[in-house]
Amino acid sequence: EAQVTQNPRYLITVTGKKLTVTCSQNMNHEYMSWYRQDPGLGLRQIYYSMNVEVTDKGDVPEGYKVSRKEKRNFPLILESPSPNQTSLYFCASSRTSGSYNEQFFGPGTRLTVL
Amino acid sequence: RKEVEQDPGPFNVPEGATVAFNCTYSNSASQSFFWYRQDCRKEPKLLMSVYSSGNEDGRFTAQLNRASQYISLLIRDSKLSDSATYLCVVNQAGTALIFGKGTTLSVSS
Repeated sequence: EAQVTQNPRYLITVTGKKLTVTCSQNMNHEYMSWYRQDPGLGLRQIYYSMNVEVTDKGDVPEGYKVSRKEKRNFPLILESPSPNQTSLYFCASSRTSGSYNEQFFGPGTRLTVL
Repeated sequence: RKEVEQDPGPFNVPEGATVAFNCTYSNSASQSFFWYRQDCRKEPKLLMSVYSSGNEDGRFTAQLNRASQYISLLIRDSKLSDSATYLCVVNQAGTALIFGKGTTLSVSS
């Protein structure tokens, strides 16, 4: 089944404790991205990657890191999480970054930073 | 600043009603346009792409007006299962997808 998977789905952590949210897609997509969704603010892009070893900042990259060493994986790293990073996170992928490419989203990771 | 603005909602309609959502975007270089549907904090899923000529998929009709930078979605004969949040999405190829904040639709019997 073609899909985007994220782990963990739910995470409660404390300020400053490094964490990684994994994202994997099995559709051989070139383009992958991370979003966060907050009430009243909608979905905002954190980072995106147009291909292996190519990453770029989205609208809200502060406090996050990403890497794209393999085509299928795009982990999101929070080196020192803070309470303002409490949010619902979605990973997404699409065949390319070109026009009219459908983005497929993972099921989401609900993160709480205490 | 890149922005996508949507009707504030929520829209509360009875089954069988016709409802229309509107969306405007600020970046005239935008190249592709979509409506996504999101159920109760689950992942967004593509409802339909929006083309310059307008397009229809069953009860759903999408229109694009590039001159006015305006996108619309019309839902005819609303069903209970149409209750969701509808996200207007705009893409300038090679850069980020920009999402509107969404419009919530609640269809009641």
